[in-house]
Amino acid sequence: DQQVKQNSPSLSVQEGRISILNCDYTNSMFDYFLWYKKYPAEGPTFLISISSIKDKNEDGRFTVFLNKSAKHLSLHIVPSQPGDSAVYFCAATVSGNTGKLIFGQGTTLQVKP
Amino acid sequence: DAGVIQSPRHEVTEMGQEVTLRCKPISGHDYLFWYRQTMMRGLELLIYFNNNVPIDDSGMPEDRFSAKMPNASFSTLKIQPSEPRDSAVYFCASRRTGGGQPQHFGDGTRLSIL
Repeated sequence: DQQVKQNSPSLSVQEGRISILNCDYTNSMFDYFLWYKKYPAEGPTFLISISSIKDKNEDGRFTVFLNKSAKHLSLHIVPSQPGDSAVYFCAATVSGNTGKLIFGQGTTLQVKP
Repeated sequence: DAGVIQSPRHEVTEMGQEVTLRCKPISGHDYLFWYRQTMMRGLELLIYFNNNVPIDDSGMPEDRFSAKMPNASFSTLKIQPSEPRDSAVYFCASRRTGGGQPQHFGDGTRLSIL
């Protein structure tokens, strides 16, 4: 029973173009959604989050969009840089403030110079 | 600010031995989480603590696994006896109370059980 799904295991884009990473969820009780980036041999690093009451949050080159009716969110990276090459995890928290994260399986992004 | 600190970074040991993984959370964070990452199952939550008290250990695979948090700045995850299928990367994370507060992860312990 996978509540957070990242259906694309990998994505390859050219430097300077847009990267779009997708995530679907099933649980309507999720109140926050977060994106993490992970380099090899390091722990996941928090990137950006969005509250379930919003539909967009932007931080520099990173924008997260939330479509609650479709239970879908996406992370846009513009412009993509080679240093963005990493595994990206989508995660969600259930309302109740436990902070417990439910992770997707991750998408490996490769940005080609 | 110092991040979450885990030790050791790598551990190689023989089946049947006791393994102890250590974690120092970020100062002021009142939640602490232990995860395991494998190729097959991805990132799995094993257990988490709030104010040093275990809240949810439903992810702990079996009785061979135990976790403690004796104070706000230290936690251990122990496996006794260890088995080859326990080989994985184990992450510790901490966060503050507050809606949307992110978890901050350590760099993990890569555990290999021979």
